Amino acid sequence: AQSVTQLDSQVPVFEEAPVELRCNYSSSVSVYLFWYVQYPNQGLQLLLKYLSGSTLVKGINGFEAEFNKSQTSFHLRKPSVHISDTAEYFCAVSDGTSGGYQKVTFGTGTKLQVIP
Amino acid sequence: EAGVAQSPRYKIIEKRQSVAFWCNPISGHATLYWYQQILGQGPKLLIQFQNNGVVDDSQLPKDRFSAERLKGVDSTLKIQPAKLEDSAVYLCASSLDLGNGYTFGSGTRLTVV
Repeated sequence: AQSVTQLDSQVPVFEEAPVELRCNYSSSVSVYLFWYVQYPNQGLQLLLKYLSGSTLVKGINGFEAEFNKSQTSFHLRKPSVHISDTAEYFCAVSDGTSGGYQKVTFGTGTKLQVIP
Repeated sequence: EAGVAQSPRYKIIEKRQSVAFWCNPISGHATLYWYQQILGQGPKLLIQFQNNGVVDDSQLPKDRFSAERLKGVDSTLKIQPAKLEDSAVYLCASSLDLGNGYTFGSGTRLTVV
């Protein structure tokens, strides 16, 4: 069975500082990995995805993530955060093996608080 | 393209009452999902439709929750009767295929008092 662990429930960081949000997954087969962002009172928006190929994935708003198969991790990074990045970030995994239909499991989320 | 539409945005009901949520997915998206997001937790899949057929409802509390997707387009999620622990945001999402990720609606925030 697939699962996702987001190790930090909250991450405070000063504006223009770098940030890393950690995500580890568990799956017995090849996976698809995603990061979503949720702004207050809104739905989730896809930030980036890893399907195959290059392990470094670039997404919207200057975010990137690196797939590390040996460490079963997919950490999200940004070299310089802005106030507008304050939101909750969700890591998600799919191994696409649930009865032939693709099933996505979400982590519990990490709240990024950017401090002016 | 238009996004995933959900209504209402907010709903407050008393326990044991019934409530219904509506979702209109992106045109052409065959797969539709309903998720429950309790405060402080990640979204939990309630039900997944492929066109108008159910492919996964293993986590849907079927004694009180029901969902349908008529003609493979719009969908409604109903709770009857509601319990206090049903207070959550109910998110609808649709996808063309998993490689493109999901597109989520803004959600319906349900408060059961």
